[in-house]
Amino acid sequence: GDSVTQMEGPVTLSEEAFLTINCTYTATGYPSLFWYVQYPGEGLQLLLKATKADDKGSNKGFEATYRKETTSFHLEKGSVQVSDSAVYFCALSGYRNWGSYIPTFGRGTSLIVHP
Amino acid sequence: EAGVAQSPRYKIIEKRQSVAFWCNPISGHATLYWYQQILGQGPKLLIQFQNNGVVDDSQLPKDRFSAERLKGVDSTLKIQPAKLEDSAVYLCASSLEKGVRPVSYEQYFGPGTRLTVT
Repeated sequence: GDSVTQMEGPVTLSEEAFLTINCTYTATGYPSLFWYVQYPGEGLQLLLKATKADDKGSNKGFEATYRKETTSFHLEKGSVQVSDSAVYFCALSGYRNWGSYIPTFGRGTSLIVHP
Repeated sequence: EAGVAQSPRYKIIEKRQSVAFWCNPISGHATLYWYQQILGQGPKLLIQFQNNGVVDDSQLPKDRFSAERLKGVDSTLKIQPAKLEDSAVYLCASSLEKGVRPVSYEQYFGPGTRLTVT
């Protein structure tokens, strides 16, 4: 079945540092890929997405590129802020042969940014 | 636009008791999802509805869990009887689907119900 593997956290950075959170996936066909974020005390919300190979999703300074050759969708940000402290989930929406798309989430990576 | 509503927000029950969770998706969203999120893990899909039909329930423990989505709008998830390992946050999400291959399957999540089984 489909699976998503994320780097283990927590990731601890100082403000303005560069961020990379690795995500690799296993799926048949051409899934859509997503990053969701969960800020403390809040629900999950979509951060960015990419629906086909070589697409780059971006939002709020975060970017991720759909790399089919390496089955990866790494999340990056050039300069993190304290307000970016949250749990980040990589997810895919994988095709099933009965015509539906089924979501699979990674286990999440906690990011802690210090001033 | 109102978001996904869930109730209750918190529930504490003893093992072997039953519990039900309610979800009202965003208006017009055809697809509704129920997830179980155990502390420190990612959301695990329990069941996915499209309108009032089940798309996938392969990870739903059917001996104790049941879900329905009458009239293709709101939904209930029930656990009977509960076990200690059912302690988790139960998330409901909805998405708007269009076309043969939708552009995206962005999901909108509710606040979740935190269940503690003692």
